[in-house]
Amino acid sequence: TQLLEQSPQFLSIQEGENLTVYCNSSSVFSSLQWYRQEPGEGPVLLVTVVTGGEVKKLKRLTFQFGDARKDSSLHITAAQPGDTGLYLCAGAPTGANNLFFGTGTRLTVIP
Amino acid sequence: GAVVSQHPSWVICKSGTSVKIECRSLDFQATTMFWYRQFPKQSLMLMATSNEGSKATYEQGVEKDKFLINHASLTLSTLTVTSAHPEDSSFYICSARPGTGVFRSYTFGSGTRLTVV
Repeated sequence: TQLLEQSPQFLSIQEGENLTVYCNSSSVFSSLQWYRQEPGEGPVLLVTVVTGGEVKKLKRLTFQFGDARKDSSLHITAAQPGDTGLYLCAGAPTGANNLFFGTGTRLTVIP
Repeated sequence: GAVVSQHPSWVICKSGTSVKIECRSLDFQATTMFWYRQFPKQSLMLMATSNEGSKATYEQGVEKDKFLINHASLTLSTLTVTSAHPEDSSFYICSARPGTGVFRSYTFGSGTRLTVV
């Protein structure tokens, strides 16, 4: 099992604030993905990063893949209540077909 | 887009009985599917990789005799929880990877909430 640790585990912020979620591992991944999951539903893909040092932006969300492809971060600017949910990073080990999920970050944005 | 369908979306069963969960790829073929389990307020834990026409590969600590996986066709994988107990109550989610290429994405089903009473 490839261990992906996310921090913080829980985050409660006011609408309009910025936040960063971290995903760290001692393993190298060929790609890393970020998902958001609503209660009672499967996770929905936000982004895939594949190159060390890569930065991708999705509206107010900025994703970065570490140079060594062992870690990643998700930064949300001006958070909105609609951003509330469980954010999961997930990594595919090099050469493997399966996907392992991080420990998760539960975000609550208060109006 | 590619869709993975799970059935049922929720099930309640008595302790000691078996429950089958289906995972279907609706508009693509999936030689490999993945089964995850998610306990309340926790992340997804990979249970096993289901391979069409061959035995599933189970992650460490997952009992293969308790969680039977059958992948008999390119569009269907089933997970059977045998002799279910209350501690098996969880949210079970399957996924598959449509398309080709090393970096193709994973598509997830909407999950099955199993409650064992």
